[in-house]
Amino acid sequence: QGHLVESGGGLVKPGGSLRLSCAASGFTFSDYFMIWIRQAPGRGLEWVSYISSNSGNLYNADSVKGRFTISRDNAKNSLYLQMNSLRAEDTAVYYCARESQYAFDIWGQGTLVSVSS
Amino acid sequence: QSALTQPASVSGSPGQSITISCTGTSTDIGGYNYVSWYQQLPGKAPKLIIYYVSRRPSGLSNRFSGSKSGNTASLTISGLQAEDEADYYCTSYRGGAPLWVFGGGTKLTVL
Repeated sequence: QGHLVESGGGLVKPGGSLRLSCAASGFTFSDYFMIWIRQAPGRGLEWVSYISSNSGNLYNADSVKGRFTISRDNAKNSLYLQMNSLRAEDTAVYYCARESQYAFDIWGQGTLVSVSS
Repeated sequence: QSALTQPASVSGSPGQSITISCTGTSTDIGGYNYVSWYQQLPGKAPKLIIYYVSRRPSGLSNRFSGSKSGNTASLTISGLQAEDEADYYCTSYRGGAPLWVFGGGTKLTVL
């Protein structure tokens, strides 16, 4: 069915950087578009960044444009999110998910990013 | 404020049916049949329960059903069970910035 595992979260000061990773297994990673979605504490879901299967198309939410960069390595079955200039409002659990038929059918367990001085 | 509007909470007794609405605009729900719904149990990642407005992933209970009318999508859960108590989120693809919009989530309480 497929499995996703995120890593790389942690506590970082405002203005700092983090790189999240998402390891995929159990499906042909290179066939699918992938997405990062976040959830602030006690809040709803927000899509962050989206990448096509061959990295030809990248999209970022306005809230992270110019600060976050999504990428992938199909040879390593891995998805990444480079987060720079972090702000307190970026504090959230970050999920990677597989997009299939305009829905997100496989999710990772999430990794917590806390931005605080 | 979320782009799609959901009620903050709904409740029902075991065995009853409940419906959660999700209201958008003609540029998202009204313009595409790409509405999906997710169930999030406490402390867990969301789980896909409905896609393409009304399709269920393989193996999912037929107690869950989806529909759409105009700019409003709906999720119906019939034969409520205690394990259905969770947060439910709708989302819609919208083809332009932003690519997807989410609802704010609805907390379902099984009385």
